[in-house]
Amino acid sequence: KAGVTQTPRYLIKTRGQQVTLSCSPISGHRSVSWYQQTPGQGLQFLFEYFSETQRNKGNFPGRFSGRQFSNSRSEMNVSTLELGDSALYLCASSDGQGFFSGNTIYFGEGSWLTVV
Amino acid sequence: DQQVKQNSPSLSVQEGRISILNCDYTNSMFDYFLWYKKYPAEGPTFLISISSIKDKNEDGRFTVFLNKSAKHLSLHIVPSQPGDSAVYFCAASASGANNLFFGTGTRLTVIP
Repeated sequence: KAGVTQTPRYLIKTRGQQVTLSCSPISGHRSVSWYQQTPGQGLQFLFEYFSETQRNKGNFPGRFSGRQFSNSRSEMNVSTLELGDSALYLCASSDGQGFFSGNTIYFGEGSWLTVV
Repeated sequence: DQQVKQNSPSLSVQEGRISILNCDYTNSMFDYFLWYKKYPAEGPTFLISISSIKDKNEDGRFTVFLNKSAKHLSLHIVPSQPGDSAVYFCAASASGANNLFFGTGTRLTVIP
């Protein structure tokens, strides 16, 4: 089956602009989560959506927001971009039932954002 | 506050030998642990997992060990192969949650 699809793969923005990233999860998956990867910081959890509702949120400022549509596709938005927002943004999908049910999280290839 | 730590940023191992990647965590609520492998320009790929009710889980060349009292887990790869060269991330989750806390990764290089 098709994997997690993220668009765009690469983009360059200037400080102060806003950006929207898109993620299409694996067919049948209802949970989409977003992570930010920066050098030396590993992957930091941004937020998770399940059936169009945000279930969980990481420790990021309000400039970072997201939403999920009825078809489970998700978007994340970063407003008023700062240089430190330059990172790889990864989307992950799962069935949303938790790990003890045998579920796991599958990642897309990510969107590389450079803020100049 | 980094709740999952991988203190070795890099590791080099000869082909055919054992690779041991280590991970420590601080949150006692974590009860499910996963390892992901990441190649450049690709997303992380799930490798193996273990729940807190076990202390060992094997899958082919990969074995994960969990020491709950020490809040420590390790990934053993035997024998190591050049194709195993990648960045390995340890991740943890608490019961009922669907998000993961990741370590900063260990870059494994397997030398032919």
